[in-house]
Amino acid sequence: NAGVMQNPRHLVRRRGQEARLRCSPMKGHSHVYWYRQLPEEGLKFMVYLQKENIIDESGMPKERFSAEFPKEGPSILRIQQVVRGDSAAYFCASSATPGQGRAFFGQGTRLTVV
Amino acid sequence: QQQVKQSPQSLIVQKGGISIINCAYENTAFDYFPWYQQFPGKGPALLIAIRPDVSEKKEGRFTISFNKSAKQFSLHIMDSQPGDSATYFCAARDDKIIFGKGTRLHILP
Repeated sequence: NAGVMQNPRHLVRRRGQEARLRCSPMKGHSHVYWYRQLPEEGLKFMVYLQKENIIDESGMPKERFSAEFPKEGPSILRIQQVVRGDSAAYFCASSATPGQGRAFFGQGTRLTVV
Repeated sequence: QQQVKQSPQSLIVQKGGISIINCAYENTAFDYFPWYQQFPGKGPALLIAIRPDVSEKKEGRFTISFNKSAKQFSLHIMDSQPGDSATYFCAARDDKIIFGKGTRLHILP
């Protein structure tokens, strides 16, 4: 049973470009969470999704950021018109049920905006 | 507003000693309190977790102590080893996981 898979592991984008981060949850998991980690800081919640639904996006910036978790395929975190401040590690976690059980994290995508 | 407060920010412990990391929370709706261990360049990995109806949970060298009335919980690492050197995050969950800011633990050989 493969763990949470994130790709790419490293992503470099120029200012103004778009970044697309992918997360494939563990088999059987239908709940996905995205977090952002700045250097020397903890993880900040961004968004919680179930298949085809956004449950909680209270941590998402109002502009340029969007997330989806389609019926088929991985969850996608999209950042449009990236700026230097978007440089961070983005982690995805998945769980089988909400509010219960264990959430497992992927290895993260390290985004660098140049 | 920081919902989960963690201290200390960094900690140095001699090999064989006890490492203690403390956390406090405000939201009484939290129903699950995990601790995560993160090595550089890696994702957080669940270490040990506790529910608020239990005062202590032990797994090997790792123990969580939970004080519901004080809304505090702590991680104790007994017989600390150099391989335990990592960043540790306490967390609390309602429908999503809220993390503390982390403690960088360094175990001296």
